[in-house]
Amino acid sequence: DQQVKQNSPSLSVQEGRISILNCDYTNSMFDYFLWYKKYPAEGPTFLISISSIKDKNEDGRFTVFLNKSAKHLSLHIVPSQPGDSAVYFCAGSGSARQLTFGSGTQLTVLP
Amino acid sequence: EPEVTQTPSHQVTQMGQEVILRCVPISNHLYFYWYRQILGQKVEFLVSFYNNEISEKSEIFDDQFSVERPDGSNFTLKIRSTKLEDSAMYFCASSEALAGGEQFFGPGTRLTVL
Repeated sequence: DQQVKQNSPSLSVQEGRISILNCDYTNSMFDYFLWYKKYPAEGPTFLISISSIKDKNEDGRFTVFLNKSAKHLSLHIVPSQPGDSAVYFCAGSGSARQLTFGSGTQLTVLP
Repeated sequence: EPEVTQTPSHQVTQMGQEVILRCVPISNHLYFYWYRQILGQKVEFLVSFYNNEISEKSEIFDDQFSVERPDGSNFTLKIRSTKLEDSAMYFCASSEALAGGEQFFGPGTRLTVL
């Protein structure tokens, strides 16, 4: 089951630069997409979401872009900070509200 | 800030034993969920619960699993007869609204089946 795919297992970025995390999906029934951040030994922490009828949502340093025709979304973090180093998961949510997660991308922000 | 809590943080059990994982969702939330993450794999949905009944469940959630809200605050996941492959991190989550509502996750319970 690969309804949500994160093809980059890891990403390293210099502090202050932009981090771009990517996610692809196959399920056209998702009507919300969410990004979560996860530190070791903790549960996922909600970051930002976007409705499928929007193409952009911004919250502080975090912006999510949705390209429905390409079935692709991305999370931009600007500027990146060392505290942003974590595993980032994208997830799709359909009518039943269960979240279908990608496999995650380990972001490392280098000082 | 309100948060989802889970107990215990780590549970070790013998194969075939019953385990109960406990969660206290955020108090004004109405929707409750269990997910699990086997080491090195994705976070997977198990079950959702609303209005004192299961609203959705995945293929993983077979007859060995059950959920209950025994009182106004706790939400439990029971595994009747644990198998080795049940070893995983189990996360409880809750949400306030249905449509688009973000789910807030607890810190997880690490279940180890020997």
